[in-house]
Amino acid sequence: DTAVSQTPKYLVTQMGNDKSIKCEQNLGHDTMYWYKQDSKKFLKIMFSYNNKELIINETVPNRFSPKSPDKAHLNLHINSLELGDSAVYFCASSQYPFSGIYEQYFGPGTRLTVT
Amino acid sequence: QKEVEQDPGPLSVPEGAIVSLNCTYSNSAFQYFMWYRQYSRKGPELLMYTYSSGNKEDGRFTAQVDKSSKYISLFIRDSQPSDSATYLCAMSAEGNQFYFGTGTSLTVIP
Repeated sequence: DTAVSQTPKYLVTQMGNDKSIKCEQNLGHDTMYWYKQDSKKFLKIMFSYNNKELIINETVPNRFSPKSPDKAHLNLHINSLELGDSAVYFCASSQYPFSGIYEQYFGPGTRLTVT
Repeated sequence: QKEVEQDPGPLSVPEGAIVSLNCTYSNSAFQYFMWYRQYSRKGPELLMYTYSSGNKEDGRFTAQVDKSSKYISLFIRDSQPSDSATYLCAMSAEGNQFYFGTGTSLTVIP
């Protein structure tokens, strides 16, 4: 069974379109994240949700809107896509957000290409 | 200045070599230090973590943290072709937010 799954795996779309990426985890974790990895492999956190509540909201354009319908799901909707949005988007989850060491489990990534 | 600096490489070594990967950081509040391994077209997976300063060993892997110098290292002994991947360091102050390095691409040549 896949621990953290994302759909779609590849997404090619044109500038100006709106698209969504879905993420699901079956680990029973309380906290989920969205990361963006650029072409130089730099991994930067975008959002974090704990039990459906937004706890980290880094400086990202408000064209990006996360939505957590329940603690096992965290979706990312992107409006008015731009060329610079092309990257690999990773979803991750972890169990203990604020105490001690915890392991983040990453999904396989969604490779977004904006043309 | 980025929170975490990591030499992107690429690094290419022969099989059996000792590999040294390093990161420096600027935030003295960081207490949790992690190394992730990322194979091509896969998500990162946690390899090792340490808390505060000191060393930690796990098989062929050793993680070192020097908080006074704001410098962390990952050593891989007897490197294998299966170790070929990108290695990302990550750090956190109180476990609520990670800051990642840019990753070092490693190739171990048989």
